[in-house]
Amino acid sequence: QLLLQESGPGLVKPSETLSLTCTVSADSFSNTFYYWGWIRQPPGKGLEWIGSIYYTGSTYYNPSLKSRVTISVDTSKNQFSLQLSSVTAADTAVYYCARLRRSYSGYDYADYWGQGALVTVSS
Amino acid sequence: EIVLTQSPGTLSLSPGERATLSCRASQTVSSSYLVWYQLKPGQAPRILIYGASSRATGIPDRFSGSGSGTDFTLTISRLEPEDFAVYYCQQYGSSPITFGQGTRLEIK
Repeated sequence: QLLLQESGPGLVKPSETLSLTCTVSADSFSNTFYYWGWIRQPPGKGLEWIGSIYYTGSTYYNPSLKSRVTISVDTSKNQFSLQLSSVTAADTAVYYCARLRRSYSGYDYADYWGQGALVTVSS
Repeated sequence: EIVLTQSPGTLSLSPGERATLSCRASQTVSSSYLVWYQLKPGQAPRILIYGASSRATGIPDRFSGSGSGTDFTLTISRLEPEDFAVYYCQQYGSSPITFGQGTRLEIK
C-alpha cells in the first residue's frame, strides 16, 4: 500500500515562502515509471494543479504559478518538496502531494494522493 | 486553457439510484485524456477513471466513464452510501492541466 504524507508549517506569513515536504512510503519512489506532484484546494473552492517532478529533477509547473514555484526531489530520502514564494492569503489551501502517471501528451494525472495539509497564510 | 464545466453543481439522489455526472470541455480534450476523482472530507482523494473510460485499480464496476472530444460522463449505476462525495474531472491532454469545479453528490 503506497502512502504519501505531507509535512510542513501550517501557518505562513504573507510575503514569505511556503515549504512542504512529501514523504513516500514505498519503493515506487525509485521506479522510473512515476512522476510526483502537488495539487491544492483553497477552502470552499476547486482543485488547482501546481506542478510535477521526475526523479531526474525535470519539472512541469502550472504557468499561473510558475514564477513562484519550485519543486525538488531527494531520492535518497523518498521525498519531494514544494516551495511557493511571496505568498498571500489567496495561497491558503489544502496542499496535496500525489504520485503521478504521465500520458503521451506529456501531462499527468494523480493515481495516489496524500491526505493533504492545510496551510494558512496570515500574519 | 481548457475550461472544464461540471454539471450539475449538486446532485441529490438516494442510495440505489443511478447518478450521471457531466464534464464539458471548452476545447477538445486530446486523446480523451480525462480523469475523474472522488473527494471526501478528511480522506485522501481517490482516482476513479482515467483515459475517460478506464477504471482505476480497485474501483467497483458500478463506476463507469464515457465520452470523447468535449463531452464526458461519469455514471454510478447504483449508489452506495459511501459514494456520496464530491467528484472532479481533470484534463491532462494539454497545458495547463485543469480541473472542473466539482459536482457534490448528496443524499436525498
